[in-house]
Amino acid sequence: AQKITQTQPGMFVQEKEAVTLDCTYDTSDPSYGLFWYKQPSSGEMIFLIYQGSYDQQNATEGRYSLNFQKARKSANLVISASQLGDSAMYFCAMKGFSGGYNKLIFGAGTRLAVHP
Amino acid sequence: EAGVTQFPSHSVIEKGQTVTLRCDPISGHDNLYWYRRVMGKEIKFLLHFVKESKQDESGMPNNRFLAERTGGTYSTLKVQPAELEDSGVYFCASSQDFSGANVLTFGAGSRLTVL
Repeated sequence: AQKITQTQPGMFVQEKEAVTLDCTYDTSDPSYGLFWYKQPSSGEMIFLIYQGSYDQQNATEGRYSLNFQKARKSANLVISASQLGDSAMYFCAMKGFSGGYNKLIFGAGTRLAVHP
Repeated sequence: EAGVTQFPSHSVIEKGQTVTLRCDPISGHDNLYWYRRVMGKEIKFLLHFVKESKQDESGMPNNRFLAERTGGTYSTLKVQPAELEDSGVYFCASSQDFSGANVLTFGAGSRLTVL
């Protein structure tokens, strides 16, 4: 079975500082993908970043980077230079690529508050 | 391009009533998904359409839920009769293909409150 665990229900960070949101996963699939989504108060789920299990380098997208440690089965999201607009709910998700699975498995989410 | 649109944004109904949620995917996206988040828990998969066909409906909780996608464009999710435990946020997402690392684009969700 696949499972995503986000152990931080809430986090806060000072504006302009970096913050790490934790995500660990469990899967028996040899090939899989990891995703992070942001959900601001408007409700829409916004895709942030993707990491494939066989990607050699950690993914980066602007101020977002994914600290992928395959042996530890962790895929932490790092947000650098936090902005007030980063305050939102953040979801880690994964998808296994074998067995015809196409469903995203989500964690419970982490609510991030950025303080001025 | 327009994103994934969901309607209504919020619905309040009484137990036993019927509610129909609608999702308009991004134009040209053959793949449409429904997910649900109940009581602040994990977002869980309900089902996946490829065009008008149900590719995977393993997440549908019971036969009170009926999803349709006639013509392969918009989709509806009907809950009949609604129960208290059906309260939550129902998300729709779409994607161009479903292979590998395809990114799902989500809508803002439809919040359902059953009293």
